[in-house]
Amino acid sequence: AQSVTQLGSHVSVSEGALVLLRCNYSSSVPPYLFWYVQYPNQGLQLLLKYTSAATLVKGINGFEAEFKKSETSFHLTKPSAHMSDAAEYFCAVGSYSSASKIIFGSGTRLSIRP
Amino acid sequence: EAGVTQSPTHLIKTRGQQATLRCSPISGHTSVYWYQQALGLGLQFLLWYDEGEERNRGNFPPRFSGRQFPNYSSELNVNALELEDSALYLCASSPGSTGPSGANVLTFGAGSRLTVL
Repeated sequence: AQSVTQLGSHVSVSEGALVLLRCNYSSSVPPYLFWYVQYPNQGLQLLLKYTSAATLVKGINGFEAEFKKSETSFHLTKPSAHMSDAAEYFCAVGSYSSASKIIFGSGTRLSIRP
Repeated sequence: EAGVTQSPTHLIKTRGQQATLRCSPISGHTSVYWYQQALGLGLQFLLWYDEGEERNRGNFPPRFSGRQFPNYSSELNVNALELEDSALYLCASSPGSTGPSGANVLTFGAGSRLTVL
């Protein structure tokens, strides 16, 4: 069975500071991993996706995530936070199977302080 | 190109009633996913349809059901509504890959907010 755990339901950083959102996964088979972002009153949109081609994945809006198999982690980072980054972020996992559902974490709300 | 559209935007029902939510996927997408986003619980997987068939189902009681039509649109039905069914219901679509379905990128609609009184 697959699962994801997002550590910290709410993270607050200052504008210009490093953003680090944590995600740990559990999967019995090689996983596919995703980060999605949800702005207020909108659906989720894809930030980036890991499919085993490279462990460091670059996404939109300056975000990136690194797959670490030994730590079963896929943390999301951005070197310098911008006010427009304030949103809810979701980590998700899918597996290499014929009928894999995609499981989402509980989300982390990112706030940016001026 | 139109995105994933969901209707209604808001729906208010009372306990015991039935709710029907609708979703139109992106043109060309054959897979439709339903998720429940209740306050503080993240997204809970409900149902996944592909090419008109139910491919996977989450841990929800049978009163949550749905179907996918020949034009790939979908509806979610919730019978015998309970207070805890109040949530944002998100629909997503994907192209329906020939490879592992776990790699599918989902495109989400803005959701239907169901309130049960």
